[in-house]
Amino acid sequence: EAEVAQSPRYKITEKSQAVAFWCDPISGHATLYWYRQILGQGPELLVQFQDESVVDDSQLPKDRFSAERLKGVDSTLKIQPAELGDSAMYLCASSPHPGTSRYNEQFFGPGTRLTVL
Amino acid sequence: GQNIDQPTEMTATEGAIVQINCTYQTSGFNGLFWYQQHAGEAPTFLSYNVLDGLEEKGRFSSFLSRSKGYSYLLLKELQMKDSASYLCAVSVSGAGSYQLTFGKGTKLSVIP
Repeated sequence: EAEVAQSPRYKITEKSQAVAFWCDPISGHATLYWYRQILGQGPELLVQFQDESVVDDSQLPKDRFSAERLKGVDSTLKIQPAELGDSAMYLCASSPHPGTSRYNEQFFGPGTRLTVL
Repeated sequence: GQNIDQPTEMTATEGAIVQINCTYQTSGFNGLFWYQQHAGEAPTFLSYNVLDGLEEKGRFSSFLSRSKGYSYLLLKELQMKDSASYLCAVSVSGAGSYQLTFGKGTKLSVIP
């Protein structure tokens, strides 16, 4: 079965540095999500894309976070500058186009574990 | 906004049955998911309920009551590998898109 790919799997950085995470969704999936998951908590949505358009970025701290999905396929999430409180797992998920089978199920990638020192 | 509650931790014995409850308050309800998440790994799909009633899949069953805003996940014949966090997530729809709002997860420890 096709999977969501993410890289890197682990990232250690110092505060005030810039970091970037990459996600490649399941082929053909129109919707892509970025989540942040703090240890012991559930995933919290940062940004949602439908194809190349942002559907919801209301929870994205826009002063330091940015996300793009230029060609409507893979996506990059950037943090600049990183802060200590950004240490978390960053998960990417994708789902099929609305109206198709399993349209509202989200398929998760393995995540990127970020540690900010 | 959405509000999802589930117990923080549970402990159960290998071979036993455990029920993990989830209550929610939401608008635009479009179904409820249960995901399993082992430590340091991504969530994986367990079950989906959109209509009231029980869905059974092997050792796992999930129940939904939309009028009560209530769901549970039932795990039978517990195995050590079932030790994980179990996430309740509500699907909501709006403006042609769908989102999942997750609870904080229930960490299940299975002991011999």
